Amino acid sequence: EADIYQTPRYLVIGTGKKITLECSQTMGHDKMYWYQQDPGMELHLIHYSYGVNSTEKGDLSSESTVSRIRTEHFPLTLESARPSHTSQYLCASSEYRGGTGGFEQYFGPGTRLTVT
Amino acid sequence: GENVEQHPSTLSVQEGDSAVIKCTYSDSASNYFPWYKQELGKRPQLIIDIRSNVGEKKDQRIAVTLNKTAKHFSLHITETQPEDSAVYFCAVKSLAGGFKTIFGAGTRLFVKA
Repeated sequence: EADIYQTPRYLVIGTGKKITLECSQTMGHDKMYWYQQDPGMELHLIHYSYGVNSTEKGDLSSESTVSRIRTEHFPLTLESARPSHTSQYLCASSEYRGGTGGFEQYFGPGTRLTVT
Repeated sequence: GENVEQHPSTLSVQEGDSAVIKCTYSDSASNYFPWYKQELGKRPQLIIDIRSNVGEKKDQRIAVTLNKTAKHFSLHITETQPEDSAVYFCAVKSLAGGFKTIFGAGTRLFVKA
């Protein structure tokens, strides 16, 4: 089934650890995004990608990196986790819908990260 | 860059009443305006969208209106039901911003039975 997947769904980790959050989509979308969101609160764009080998920084990117080696895969890495990184991380992908001319974003289920 | 403001931040209505959420944006080149609904513990999902060449769009109990001159657009939910309770996000996309979509801060809607 075409969807967007994130692993792990929950992660508890100690301060200073390096972590990678995985995101994969099977919809063939070129554009992918990472957002940080405290539950039910504002979506903060961290990074986005137009396609393979293309990545751009969002508003909240200074402490993380991304890579886009394959169309379907867009991992997010925190080099040194801190308690301030405790939040939910949502991955998304988008397509151009010719009929309405829109760019609907499809979101993954999220990774809830707790840094102790 | 683009700035999107969303009001109100919280909205409480009685079941059966209408709910209206409004967003304003700053970039006149913006041309796509989606609305997303996020239920508690779930991922945001698109519920309706509108392009800049259309003034109004309706899908059953939800509708979106766009005023390009004033640079604002609104989500209207009629005959609200408890299952409409969620956080609603407006969003704006302009070609000038590449493929970034700028989201509003969200409106938490409570529908009281």
